[in-house]
Amino acid sequence: QKEVEQDPGPLSVPEGAIVSLNCTYSNSAFQYFMWYRQYSRKGPELLMYTYSSGNKEDGRFTAQVDKSSKYISLFIRDSQPSDSATYLCAMPLNSGGTSYGKLTFGQGTILTVHP
Amino acid sequence: NAGVMQNPRHLVRRRGQEARLRCSPMKGHSHVYWYRQLPEEGLKFMVYLQKENIIDESGMPKERFSAEFPKEGPSILRIQQVVRGDSAAYFCASSPGLAAVGTQYFGPGTRLLVL
Repeated sequence: QKEVEQDPGPLSVPEGAIVSLNCTYSNSAFQYFMWYRQYSRKGPELLMYTYSSGNKEDGRFTAQVDKSSKYISLFIRDSQPSDSATYLCAMPLNSGGTSYGKLTFGQGTILTVHP
Repeated sequence: NAGVMQNPRHLVRRRGQEARLRCSPMKGHSHVYWYRQLPEEGLKFMVYLQKENIIDESGMPKERFSAEFPKEGPSILRIQQVVRGDSAAYFCASSPGLAAVGTQYFGPGTRLLVL
């Protein structure tokens, strides 16, 4: 079983739709939950991250974490064609107090928002 | 302030040749991470380095792969005797000091194609 599972899609929605992206994970030691956006032929860029359970909102984006279910979500409101990209969930694991830089990624969901 | 730089952006090698991928971290960053993204898969952690030290190489294949981050110059990921299965996008990320969550920035990647 993979540590982080993410439906690869692809997901195609019309402009203005609400998009829901999800990941499940198995390692209960994960404490931070991150969402990256990756445009084609580019490196991932961090969209937002949350700590433990709860919601976090940033503009049109809302991240949600349910640690009891080991389930995280990213919602995009009023989706735009410029949101078309691959969205990756990721969890950092602080190993022995060295760093949170070692990330475990989901497979990524390919999103297309068409005008 | 320039971001993380990787070169070359595209690299073509024949089976059995060597591939050298370079990563220059952001200014002021002393930690480097290498990830590999195979087709249809998410990013997989390979190795974490600080200047002149390998901190965590738990994701590196046992043979043919090596990484270094010298006191001066870029970090190098070296793949000896490449095989077709090494074809992938290789991303590096950098962070300042002991990485706190969300302080890691990714480069644009090097796309390796093995013929």
